[in-house]
Amino acid sequence: QKEVEQDPGPLSVPEGAIVSLNCTYSNSAFQYFMWYRQYSRKGPELLMYTYSSGNKEDGRFTAQVDKSSKYISLFIRDSQPSDSATYLCAMSSGYSSASKIIFGSGTRLSIRP
Amino acid sequence: DGGITQSPKYLFRKEGQNVTLSCEQNLNHDAMYWYRQDPGQGLRLIYYSQIVNDFQKGDIAEGYSVSREKKESFPLTVTSAQKNPTAFYLCASSPQAEANYGYTFGSGTRLTVV
Repeated sequence: QKEVEQDPGPLSVPEGAIVSLNCTYSNSAFQYFMWYRQYSRKGPELLMYTYSSGNKEDGRFTAQVDKSSKYISLFIRDSQPSDSATYLCAMSSGYSSASKIIFGSGTRLSIRP
Repeated sequence: DGGITQSPKYLFRKEGQNVTLSCEQNLNHDAMYWYRQDPGQGLRLIYYSQIVNDFQKGDIAEGYSVSREKKESFPLTVTSAQKNPTAFYLCASSPQAEANYGYTFGSGTRLTVV
């Protein structure tokens, strides 16, 4: 079993819809959670990060962490065609220099105009 | 602008050849990383370096080598021992080894064996 599981998609929604992207994980030591956006043939860019449980909002994006369920989500409101990309969740325990960031395999998202 | 520069963007390798991928950063970050990305498999860690003149193997280091002689530079050599090198290679960095707030990535090098 992978430490981080993410549905690969593809996920296709109409413009303006609310998008929900999710990851589950097995390591209860994870406490730093990130979402990256990766456009085709480009490197990932950090979209949001969250420490421990709770919600964090940034414009049209909301990140949610439920540590009790080992489940994280990214919501995109009023989705735009420019949001079409692969979204990777990532997490780390952050306890020491030996703790590395573990990435999900990514969900491919397509927003239809 | 600060960032990570990877070159070349596309690279073609013949069977039995060694090739070197360049990664340079001007962010003054201590830690640097190399990842390999294959469709459906996410990012897999090849090597990482937390400080100059020191580096550690990641999950899939076989067939690869690195050096870290300067803080700004972390080149990756794909050797002929790597049996399936065709992939998208990503270099990343973080201010320190405890990368709790994420990595900064380069734009990647696509390596193809011909």
